[in-house]
Amino acid sequence: QKEVEQNSGPLSVPEGAIASLNCTYSDRGSQSFFWYRQYSGKSPELIMSIYSNGDKEDGRFTAQLNKASQYVSLLIRDSQPSDSATYLCAAPSGSARQLTFGSGTQLTVLP
Amino acid sequence: EAQVTQNPRYLITVTGKKLTVTCSQNMNHEYMSWYRQDPGLGLRQIYYSMNVEVTDKGDVPEGYKVSRKEKRNFPLILESPSPNQTSLYFCASSLFRYNEQFFGPGTRLTVL
Repeated sequence: QKEVEQNSGPLSVPEGAIASLNCTYSDRGSQSFFWYRQYSGKSPELIMSIYSNGDKEDGRFTAQLNKASQYVSLLIRDSQPSDSATYLCAAPSGSARQLTFGSGTQLTVLP
Repeated sequence: EAQVTQNPRYLITVTGKKLTVTCSQNMNHEYMSWYRQDPGLGLRQIYYSMNVEVTDKGDVPEGYKVSRKEKRNFPLILESPSPNQTSLYFCASSLFRYNEQFFGPGTRLTVL
């Protein structure tokens, strides 16, 4: 089982809708989780970090963490065409010596 | 400006010709890492360093070397590049190993 798994997509949503991206992880010891956005050919850009159970909001982005279910999600409200990118979920491995990335979910926001 | 820089950004070379990709960060980060990204395979870690003079293998270290003589620099060395090392390479750094990593702009390498 991969340590970090994402719904592989691709995911298409209309402009203005809510995009929901999901990620599960296998290591119960993981304490921090990160969401990155990556445009084609560009480097991953950190958009959210979450360390505690519950929701964390930053502008149009909300990260949700449920440690009991080993589940972390990213909601993008009022999606814009500029949000079209691949979104990567990441968590430190058990020893935290490495950051394990999911395979990414490609999001397309249709005008 | 806080950043991770990589050079060169683009490189075309031939099999067997040694090359170095430089990586530098100005954030006083302890942890640095190299990744390669290939279509369908996602981000794979090559090597990482938790501090000066401390380096360790990631998931795909074969054919690569690194060094960490100074905190800010973490060069990636390909002693004898081969075509299967054609890829997009990213350097990243974080304050400590548990923290979020910040990525450099990437180096697109083609080995003919």
